[in-house]
Amino acid sequence: EVQLVESGGGLVQPGRSLKLSCLASGFTFSNYGMNWIRQAPGKGLEWVASITSSSSFIYYADTVKGRFTISRDNAKNTLYLQMTSLRSEDTALYYCAKLRDGGYDYWGQGVMVTVSS
Amino acid sequence: DTVLTQSPALAVSPGERVSISCRATEGVKSYMHWYQQKPGQQPKLLIYKASNLASGVPARFSGSGSGTDFTLTIDPVEADDTATYFCQQSWNDPNTFGAGTKLELK
Repeated sequence: EVQLVESGGGLVQPGRSLKLSCLASGFTFSNYGMNWIRQAPGKGLEWVASITSSSSFIYYADTVKGRFTISRDNAKNTLYLQMTSLRSEDTALYYCAKLRDGGYDYWGQGVMVTVSS
Repeated sequence: DTVLTQSPALAVSPGERVSISCRATEGVKSYMHWYQQKPGQQPKLLIYKASNLASGVPARFSGSGSGTDFTLTIDPVEADDTATYFCQQSWNDPNTFGAGTKLELK
């Protein structure tokens, strides 16, 4: 059974940093591109960042470029999102998602990040 | 960015057929995907690449379209289908999502 379990969220002040993790199991993690997608409270879905299976290619949404860093450790089956210079508009539920054929076939349960003073 | 437009809400009776539309501001070939999200849950992939049923999804769900106009059809609708449905395109960068269609049952 495929499982994606996010962790590392919480309440953080504007301008501070936070690092999210996503532990994957039930599939060969090193074979798949992975993504972070977020959903602000009561809002829609916004793609945040993506990383290919071997970390060769990395992409970011313009809204987070220069502030967030996506990475992965295939030996640990773990995806990361380092978030710096956090803003109130980064407040959201952050999902990690497995990529397949351009769509996201498995999602974690999400981890909440709240940016507030 | 490619903007995906969905109608905000629909209300149907159980047993009926419902079609949920998604229109893109530019062509996305067949790279349109559909998700179901119930309150408090993560999105679930229903249809990938316009018309392919994801694993474990009932055959009541189907997808069609290409280019800029796409449709998710549920036939027949069941009470458990109450949810918000999102479309997502992955042909143009960045990949983008529609705002979602909230499906309510009468």
